[in-house]
Amino acid sequence: QKEVEQDPGPLSVPEGAIVSLNCTYSNSAFQYFMWYRQYSRKGPELLMYTYSSGNKEDGRFTAQVDKSSKYISLFIRDSQPSDSATYLCAMNPGGYNKLIFGAGTRLAVHP
Amino acid sequence: NAGVTQTPKFRVLKTGQSMTLLCAQDMNHEYMYWYRQDPGMGLRLIHYSVGEGTTAKGEVPDGYNVSRLKKQNFLLGLESAAPSQTSVYFCASSYSIFDTGGQKNTDTQYFGPGTRLTVL
Repeated sequence: QKEVEQDPGPLSVPEGAIVSLNCTYSNSAFQYFMWYRQYSRKGPELLMYTYSSGNKEDGRFTAQVDKSSKYISLFIRDSQPSDSATYLCAMNPGGYNKLIFGAGTRLAVHP
Repeated sequence: NAGVTQTPKFRVLKTGQSMTLLCAQDMNHEYMYWYRQDPGMGLRLIHYSVGEGTTAKGEVPDGYNVSRLKKQNFLLGLESAAPSQTSVYFCASSYSIFDTGGQKNTDTQYFGPGTRLTVL
């Protein structure tokens, strides 16, 4: 079993939709949770970063962590065609920088 | 400020050939990493370095070697390429661990644009 599970999609939604992307994990020591966005043929870039449980909002993006369920989510409100990309979750226990990545979910937002 | 750069962008090798991928960063980061990305597998850590002159194995180190002779450069070598090493390779860098109010924290990893390698 992988330490981090993420549905690869693809997920196709109309412009303006609310998008929910999710990851589950098995290591209860994980404390730092990140979402990276990766456009086609580009390197990943950090989108959201949260520590421990709770919600964090940044513009149209909300990251949610539920440590009791070992489940993290990224919500995108009012999705735009420019949000079309692969979204990777990543996490680690802290104390060092080795991240464990999910496989990534490919999102397509069509006009 | 170029961030993290990688050369080459594309390469095709024959089985058994060798090559070196170069990663350079201009952000004075202590930590550098090499990942490979394969469909359905996400990013997997090959090797990493916590400072100039140091290297360590990651999740999938077999068939690769690395060197960090200068703080700004991290080289990934394939001594005898195999078709299983066909992948997209990403380099990343980050600051070292820092404390915020006595609590250790992790830092953002900045990624390069990737190198697409095909081994025939």
